[in-house]
Amino acid sequence: KAGVTQTPRYLIKTRGQQVTLSCSPISGHRSVSWYQQTPGQGLQFLFEYFSETQRNKGNFPGRFSGRQFSNSRSEMNVSTLELGDSALYLCASSLGGQGNREQYFGPGTRLTVT
Amino acid sequence: AQSVTQLGSHVSVSEGALVLLRCNYSSSVPPYLFWYVQYPNQGLQLLLKYTTGATLVKGINGFEAEFKKSETSFHLTKPSAHMSDAAEYFCAVSDPTLKLIFGQGTELSVKP
Repeated sequence: KAGVTQTPRYLIKTRGQQVTLSCSPISGHRSVSWYQQTPGQGLQFLFEYFSETQRNKGNFPGRFSGRQFSNSRSEMNVSTLELGDSALYLCASSLGGQGNREQYFGPGTRLTVT
Repeated sequence: AQSVTQLGSHVSVSEGALVLLRCNYSSSVPPYLFWYVQYPNQGLQLLLKYTTGATLVKGINGFEAEFKKSETSFHLTKPSAHMSDAAEYFCAVSDPTLKLIFGQGTELSVKP
């Protein structure tokens, strides 16, 4: 099976702009989670989508949003970018059940905000 | 609430030596525990997982971890380090909402 894919791998944006990141999960996986990784804060949970519905949300401002499509692909959007949004954004897919908690990660999208 | 503490942000071992990376967790319910490895400029790769059952869990690349409920620990070990093991390692617990809560990570260096 193909793994989790994320596009683009690298992005450079300017403060105030918006950005959309894309994630394609492993075939058959219905849950997609997004995490932000920074040197200072480590790995932090953004949100999770399951069957096109946001099922869980982390403690991030409303500028961070996401959605999931019927084929389980997910997008994450960040509006009004700030310098502090520079990070590695990781997408993870899983089967999404209580008994199948392992998550499989993509290579990430490195976002740099200048 | 669940939490994870990794002792030691950086561990250095010689090639062929034992690798021991420490992880302690806090959980109000029976924990689901994971170890992930991250190589530079890559995502996280699942090394191993503990759900229920056997407390000694074997993973990929020769790694294993032992779940000790009395010590709330889930330390990662490998009998003999290889240069290719140099990477950052993350311990994580899955909370009841299924999100992963990560430790701060331990960077493993392997000296020739």
